[in-house]
Amino acid sequence: QQQVKQSPQSLIVQKGGISIINCAYENTAFDYFPWYQQFPGKGPALLIAIRPDVSEKKEGRFTISFNKSAKQFSLHIMDSQPGDSATYFCAASLSSGDKLTFGTGTRLAVRP
Amino acid sequence: EPEVTQTPSHQVTQMGQEVILRCVPISNHLYFYWYRQILGQKVEFLVSFYNNEISEKSEIFDDQFSVERPDGSNFTLKIRSTKLEDSAMYFCASTRVLREYTGELFFGEGSRLTVL
Repeated sequence: QQQVKQSPQSLIVQKGGISIINCAYENTAFDYFPWYQQFPGKGPALLIAIRPDVSEKKEGRFTISFNKSAKQFSLHIMDSQPGDSATYFCAASLSSGDKLTFGTGTRLAVRP
Repeated sequence: EPEVTQTPSHQVTQMGQEVILRCVPISNHLYFYWYRQILGQKVEFLVSFYNNEISEKSEIFDDQFSVERPDGSNFTLKIRSTKLEDSAMYFCASTRVLREYTGELFFGEGSRLTVL
């Protein structure tokens, strides 16, 4: 019930293209859904996050789409750039708690 | 920009040895965490710490693990008798507040532990 499933495991996109990463969760008590970006040798850094009371959140080129009934959420990276090449983790947490349950990660490579 | 700092960046140890990983959270943060990431796998929660005591711990955090905030700045993770499967990147994280929705967690760059 605590799992967060993430796909694809790896993704190659051409510069300027759209990168889409999907996550699904089981625990309906999850109340906070962040996406983290991790560059090699660095710790995860918060990219964007959403609460279940909205279906979409956009920050610059990054958009989270949230489907509460399907228990799915996705990250869209518009106009993907080589500098976006990193590993992306979705995560979820309970409103009453604070620990994050991470997905398995997606390694994104944006080709010039 | 304030950041979470971790030392050492890499430690190699023999199986059965004790290891202490150190973290200096962001100065005005109140909630502290350790996570670990086995190579190529997902980031896993180990323990959370608030007000000088453990708030929550995962199944991974067994009796071999302990955490401590010995002074006002450092936050340490001790592994008493390391096993091969403890080899991983260990991340310290901190946040200032917990509200209705979880505040942003700031992660350090990690300490890579290699157990031989």
